[in-house]
Amino acid sequence: KQEVTQIPAALSVPEGENLVLNCSFTDSAIYNLQWFRQDPGKGLTSLLLIQSSQREQTSGRLNASLDKSSGRSTLYIAASQPGDSATYLCAVIGGDSSYKLIFGSGTRLLVRP
Amino acid sequence: GAVVSQHPSRVICKSGTSVKIECRSLDFQATTMFWYRQFPKQSLMLMATSNEGSKATYEQGVEKDKFLINHASLTLSTLTVTSAHPEDSSFYICSARSMTTPYYEQYFGPGTRLTVT
Repeated sequence: KQEVTQIPAALSVPEGENLVLNCSFTDSAIYNLQWFRQDPGKGLTSLLLIQSSQREQTSGRLNASLDKSSGRSTLYIAASQPGDSATYLCAVIGGDSSYKLIFGSGTRLLVRP
Repeated sequence: GAVVSQHPSRVICKSGTSVKIECRSLDFQATTMFWYRQFPKQSLMLMATSNEGSKATYEQGVEKDKFLINHASLTLSTLTVTSAHPEDSSFYICSARSMTTPYYEQYFGPGTRLTVT
């Protein structure tokens, strides 16, 4: 059974720092991996989607990498801003035919002004 | 494009009553819709998957008689929480995808906060 873990559970950094959020999954047979942002009391905003054949995706200050063989992904946020404060969720679509998203528990990020 | 709405955004109901939550795909045909539940400071838990015109497939441990899901059209799915109790209070989020959605990506609604008093 696929399990997704995110470390750390919470992170507090001063504005301007570069930071890395980690995601690991137990079954490397995934179809793709996706990073989401969730603000308190809100739905999910998709940040980056990496196909299983890709190694990274970039969007603005965000860069996500994928190492399928080791079951790991990282989300790199450059020059963090207070507006980046949110919960970041990692999710994988398994390689079975259900194509269901399996979520990690999230990392709560606080960027201090 | 790919917008999913939910209604209502917040609902308060009394214990023992039923409440219906709607999930709509506004600009695409959603052949598959998903319903998730999220407790405070926890991640999303998939409750069920519904394909248009078919019965929903529930995840293990989810009571299908308590959480009724209907996906009668390509743009609308409903979740009805029957005989709600305070422990059903949670944040419910739906998502949708079409047969042509690249990479099986799901598009998420803004969520519905249910409070059972």
